[in-house]
This record gives sequence, C-alpha cells and structure tokens, in this order.
Amino acid sequence: DIQMTQSPSSVSASVGDRVTITCRASQGISNWLAWYQQKPGKAPKLLIYAASSLQSGVPSRFSGSGSGTDFTLTISSLQTEDFATYYCQQGDSFPRTFGQGTKVE
Amino acid sequence: QVQLVQSGAEMKKPGASVKVSCKASGYTFSTYGISWVRQAPGQGLEWMGWINVYNGNTNYAQKLQGRLTMTTDTSTRTAYMELRSLRSDDTAVYYCAKDYYGSGSYYSHWGQGTLVTVSS
Repeated sequence: DIQMTQSPSSVSASVGDRVTITCRASQGISNWLAWYQQKPGKAPKLLIYAASSLQSGVPSRFSGSGSGTDFTLTISSLQTEDFATYYCQQGDSFPRTFGQGTKVE
Repeated sequence: QVQLVQSGAEMKKPGASVKVSCKASGYTFSTYGISWVRQAPGQGLEWMGWINVYNGNTNYAQKLQGRLTMTTDTSTRTAYMELRSLRSDDTAVYYCAKDYYGSGSYYSHWGQGTLVTVSS
C-alpha cells in the first residue's frame, strides 16, 4: 500500500497568513493526488485534484503543486472559513490512501 | 445538482451486520463509481472500497475483505455498503462518495455521512 504522510499535523495561523501543508507519498504517484477540506461534523470537500487542478467553486487562494512523491497545498491568504482539517489522498493505485490530516487552527 | 443522501444512524451489537444506503441524484448514476470512506471518532479518513456502478466490479481494503460487500441498484440509483461481524472498532461515520472521473481516483461529491455505533 502507498503510505501518505502529511506535515505538520497541526498549524497555528491567523487570518491573512500564508499556510503551506506538505504531503509525501511512499512511492511515486505521478500527479494522482487530491486535497480535501473537512470541517467538524461535515463531509470532506474536494479542493484540488490531479495535484494542481482547482475544483470548480473553490476560491483561488487555494493552490496545489508537486508530482512524484512530494506535494504541497498552499492557502495564500487564510480566511476565517478556512480553519479546518485538510487531507491529501492518492488516486494512483488501490487501495486508495489518505494522509493523517493537518488541522489549521 | 449532484446529491448523495445516506440512510440514518444505526446502533448495532458486536457480531451483527449493518447495511448503509446512499441514494444518488443529479447525474448519470452508472457512469461514475461510488467509494465508501469511514472516519472513527476523532480520527482521520479511511478508504474502505470502490464499486464500478456500470459493471459491478469492486475493490476492497484488504483489512475488510470477507466482511464487506458493496452493491448498487441502478433502478433506484442507490448504492449499498454492508459490513458484517461488527466490532467496537467499526464505530465510525461512514461516507459514500461519487467518483470525480470514473475510476475511483478522486471524490467530487460526498454523502452527509451515517454514524454506525457498535456497542454491547
């Protein structure tokens, strides 16, 4: 199975800050990576797919980059509604696997 | 608009089975697969498996093999997830999710979640 490792596990940030979350795959996954946002009591929401493609309706302050084993999610200017937990997920092979999550607080 | 509406919360005893439904609307049901993901209390997301709605092919997480069955009913546009021989560590919120593409790589829409509690 492909292991997905996110860092940091949590990040303390303020409105307006630039926030960067990294995700590392245990083996190369090309660009088969997605990022999701999850708020308490809610289902995850797709933000980024194919490593860098912005899902329709997602604000442009969210961006993704990377390929192979190393990926990054960046929030350029953190807004109040962005305080949440973020997960990466590989879509390269079965079983699909998620990172452990990064809480932005 | 695309919607996935799941069945309600369940409380089960250890050893029992649970079957959660996920009714889809707003898109061509047979074109996209459905995945199931669960989340134990306070924990991260765990992928359980995927079903190709068009042909019924499935792929399950190895740790759940033998206890998990995913099916669909195209006439009612509903996907089902059945988990048997429940244990306390199966207590979780269970989500269904629609493929972004057709291959189960990413999930563009999610159900609201179904809490399954396993307790004696």
